[in-house]
Amino acid sequence: NAGVMQNPRHLVRRRGQEARLRCSPMKGHSHVYWYRQLPEEGLKFMVYLQKENIIDESGMPKERFSAEFPKEGPSILRIQQVVRGDSAAYFCASSAQGATNEKLFFGSGTQLSVL
Amino acid sequence: KNEVEQSPQNLTAQEGEFITINCSYSVGISALHWLQQHPGGGIVSLFMLSSGKKKHGRLIATINIQEKHSSLHITASHPRDSAVYICAVPNTDKLIFGTGTRLQVFP
Repeated sequence: NAGVMQNPRHLVRRRGQEARLRCSPMKGHSHVYWYRQLPEEGLKFMVYLQKENIIDESGMPKERFSAEFPKEGPSILRIQQVVRGDSAAYFCASSAQGATNEKLFFGSGTQLSVL
Repeated sequence: KNEVEQSPQNLTAQEGEFITINCSYSVGISALHWLQQHPGGGIVSLFMLSSGKKKHGRLIATINIQEKHSSLHITASHPRDSAVYICAVPNTDKLIFGTGTRLQVFP
């Protein structure tokens, strides 16, 4: 079992470009969470998805950010027209049932650097 | 006021020392999570507990639901325990994280 796979591990973008971050959950998991960790800050919830559905996107900025988890393939976090403030580590986690008293499995994260 | 508070923020120890990291929260919860973030950035779930105490190797986690407080203990600490330790509590369908405790264990 390969665990939660995120790619790329590091992503460098210039201001105004698009960033696409991918997350493949653990085998058998259909619940995916995206979290952001700004430099020297704690993890913050962004969005919770189940296959083909966004369950909770209350932590995601209203503009430029979007997320999807299609029936086939990985979950994608998309950031359009990136700005320097988007530079952060983005972590994905998955679970089998989506219960908050259930263990989460984390990916290694994508470090986004915006020049 | 943050919903999840951790203390201390930073902690240094000599190898072999007993370590305690504290977590207080203000919301009602069904379970509390302790996570470990390595210097390389990867995050590992250490414990999830809703009452009492759990032990895994040299790590022990306790929780007092009435007092809304949890502790993570490391016995016989080792330099490889150096990491950031994060507690997290659920809020509806998502986790709220403490800011973490950065632990450095020196040989």
